[in-house]
Amino acid sequence: EPEVTQTPSHQVTQMGQEVILRCVPISNHLYFYWYRQILGQKVEFLVSFYNNEISEKSEIFDDQFSVERPDGSNFTLKIRSTKLEDSAMYFCASSEASQDSNQPQHFGDGTRLSIL
Amino acid sequence: AQKVTQAQTEISVVEKEDVTLDCVYETRDTTYYLFWYKQPPSGELVFLIRRNSFDEQNEISGRYSWNFQKSTSSFNFTITASQVVDSAVYFCALRIVPDKLIFGTGTRLQVFP
Repeated sequence: EPEVTQTPSHQVTQMGQEVILRCVPISNHLYFYWYRQILGQKVEFLVSFYNNEISEKSEIFDDQFSVERPDGSNFTLKIRSTKLEDSAMYFCASSEASQDSNQPQHFGDGTRLSIL
Repeated sequence: AQKVTQAQTEISVVEKEDVTLDCVYETRDTTYYLFWYKQPPSGELVFLIRRNSFDEQNEISGRYSWNFQKSTSSFNFTITASQVVDSAVYFCALRIVPDKLIFGTGTRLQVFP
């Protein structure tokens, strides 16, 4: 069964450094998302992306964050200058077809980001 | 306001017991979708089931069953004859237009042998 792939599984970065989290969505999917989960807390929406542009973003997704689909397969989340509070598990997800359908979002295994 | 409430923070049962996880949602949208995801100790999020707001038919899949009631804005999840492998955090989520999931705080289920 096709799956969403995220790399790396664990990223350790010094505060203030830039970090790029990578995702390969399921190949026929058109909608892409990033979510984060601070340890022990609920999963929070960051951003949705369709047709090479952001569809929606949350308050968390400030100017330090950006997303990109640099080629036909990768979908990246960049944090420009990391802060301690950026430490979390970051999940990439993708779904197919119309955003108004009941297609589920399929999640990757996550990247655990630790900011020192 | 769009919101998902999972009032049960943690549930512990002994293997073979039945357990129901509660989910209550709030939305003003007439079209919406509800999902359950499982997060095992390894951390990934596994899709379990989806329901749209027009389909109140309950569903059974093996040991899992779901009870969707619009009148009470609830979408509860029951595991019958629980097993140790069911131990995980279970998240209920609401999908709203244009397109994002709002998750509840999750219910940690521990099944003891």
